[in-house]
Amino acid sequence: DAKTTQPTSMDCAEGRAANLPCNHSTISGNEYVYWYRQIHSQGPQYIIHGLKNNETNEMASLIITEDRKSSTLILPHATLRDTAVYYCIVRGTRAALTFGKGTLLTVNP
Amino acid sequence: NAGVTQTPKFQVLKTGQSMTLQCAQDMNHEYMSWYRQDPGMGLRLIHYSVGAGITDQGEVPNGYNVSRSTTEDFPLRLLSAAPSQTSVYFCASSYTGFGGPNEQFFGPGTRLTVL
Repeated sequence: DAKTTQPTSMDCAEGRAANLPCNHSTISGNEYVYWYRQIHSQGPQYIIHGLKNNETNEMASLIITEDRKSSTLILPHATLRDTAVYYCIVRGTRAALTFGKGTLLTVNP
Repeated sequence: NAGVTQTPKFQVLKTGQSMTLQCAQDMNHEYMSWYRQDPGMGLRLIHYSVGAGITDQGEVPNGYNVSRSTTEDFPLRLLSAAPSQTSVYFCASSYTGFGGPNEQFFGPGTRLTVL
């Protein structure tokens, strides 16, 4: 699976959009981009995934660049409960997920 | 649905003791896996199973055994606990282990301390 690079930490004001970047320059054609988050001490939680097109669900939006070498997770209206570590993961046909250290997003009041 | 459940939530062992961490899911998922998470680190895959009777090693399998006799259960056995196995253990499951996108569901974790 392709390796990903994320900033170590980011801050966001409550109510504003949080934009979390991820680089995955070695991604191959059949690999999906997944985002999970881990709120302190809990098990990771699935957020969203995509292959080529932008995706949106009730939690977030995923923007993937045309060359697929990077993506951005957008939380449109961040709340204090969105404070968590966010993991960007590139996954092929195998189900196993390879977790990096992720980005610690801190939402400030 | 209860989702993915793990027991116990907390456990303290002495070096050399053995124990089994339990994991169960009620979603009829084929794929189940165990991860460990050390402080400040991401999760690392220990073992996984793509269906009953089928298991395989992940990134850090040494010191752990698994079996999958039913679709629902995937226990993780520590054979002879060592301080290096102090960690938080997460079990996860997904509909399938092959092909296509599918999300994984994680349990709440077991916090293990080996003295």
